[in-house]
Amino acid sequence: NAGVTQTPKFQVLKTGQSMTLQCAQDMNHNSMYWYRQDPGMGLRLIYYSASEGTTDKGEVPNGYNVSRLNKREFSLRLESAAPSQTSVYFCASSEILAKNIQYFGAGTRLSVL
Amino acid sequence: RKEVEQDPGPFNVPEGATVAFNCTYSNSASQSFFWYRQDCRKEPKLLMSVYSSGNEDGRFTAQLNRASQYISLLIRDSKLSDSATYLCVVSGMGGKLIFGQGTTLQVKP
Repeated sequence: NAGVTQTPKFQVLKTGQSMTLQCAQDMNHNSMYWYRQDPGMGLRLIYYSASEGTTDKGEVPNGYNVSRLNKREFSLRLESAAPSQTSVYFCASSEILAKNIQYFGAGTRLSVL
Repeated sequence: RKEVEQDPGPFNVPEGATVAFNCTYSNSASQSFFWYRQDCRKEPKLLMSVYSSGNEDGRFTAQLNRASQYISLLIRDSKLSDSATYLCVVSGMGGKLIFGQGTTLQVKP
């Protein structure tokens, strides 16, 4: 049971570099999410996709873009990484947006130097 | 004011103790409530949903008080393996979830 798979698990970037975080789920869920988690703060929603073909901004979207490639995959892109984007990133999915139980991937630990 | 507030702790308790966490939320229109557990450097995992009538799952009991807008989690007979961060989660606008910053529990032998 893979559930939600994120790659990579760790990444170090230099300021200004770009990268894409990948996320895939095998639970046939309609909704997918990207969060970041910083020390002393709860998870904050970056972007979400209620269903295939739609994406919407969350609480902290600045500096990020997303693509819902198909029903299974939802990627997060940092076009020009900044030290403030050093964080742990979690992808999650749920059956539908209103059925709220979310299942999380193992996370990506990103450091921007 | 944060939408979901929790005491970050840490709560240090001996094995076998009973410990309770509270969480307050600001949106009176919230419909769904959860407790998630997060182990150190791992992903959050659903511990239990919280219903208006209260619900129990083994040693864990969750309560919801809509009038006062708070949620509680009671852990009885604490085990070393209960050491983790417990996240209070409340539904927000459009069905999205709002996460509290978490309460850290450390169970000591």
